[in-house]
Amino acid sequence: GAVVSQHPSWVICKSGTSVKIECRSLDFQATTMFWYRQFPKQSLMLMATSNEGSKATYEQGVEKDKFLINHASLTLSTLTVTSAHPEDSSFYICSARVDSGRAGEQYFGPGTRLTVT
Amino acid sequence: GEDVEQSLFLSVREGDSSVINCTYTDSSSTYLYWYKQEPGAGLQLLTYIFSNMDMKQDQRLTVLLNKKDKHLSLRIADTQTGDSAIYFCAERPMGGGATNKLIFGTGTLLAVQP
Repeated sequence: GAVVSQHPSWVICKSGTSVKIECRSLDFQATTMFWYRQFPKQSLMLMATSNEGSKATYEQGVEKDKFLINHASLTLSTLTVTSAHPEDSSFYICSARVDSGRAGEQYFGPGTRLTVT
Repeated sequence: GEDVEQSLFLSVREGDSSVINCTYTDSSSTYLYWYKQEPGAGLQLLTYIFSNMDMKQDQRLTVLLNKKDKHLSLRIADTQTGDSAIYFCAERPMGGGATNKLIFGTGTLLAVQP
């Protein structure tokens, strides 16, 4: 149980285009999902908290107009990187918090590697 | 502050025990977690401990929490080559709001030598 998937696994896009990444909780409901960014050999940086049925909460320094988040259902959140530039190249990881989890544990997707050329 | 620190690297021989350490700063943290990340993959939740506990054991994994010193450790018994990965500790501060976001440590690369 508690499986989270991400699609695509990796994507290469041209500078100026937009890329959408999907995060799905496959066997549980998740009112809250999280989007992280990870640079090589570094820890995870929380970008935003995605709330089902309401607006996402962005961390300081993260541009909400550039990183669009939609949490359409209890099992799906999407992150759209708009007008991508090479500096947006990174490993993007989502997680989903189990609604019924006593410890509020988060389960992570396998990540999406974005390369902007 | 919200700094969670770990040593960068640990090398052990197969069959030995590994101890990965973590220090955190937010004494309000309710839960503390250990995650494992293999190359190019997402994070796998290994275990967690509630802040009112001192120790938790789960098969080969033992978590020790020293709340006074804000120190968390993960001991892996009989370390195997498949345990080679990056290990992240994470804290869940009380002040994280309704969403209770996690604060991740810097990660420790565990290398297991055959």
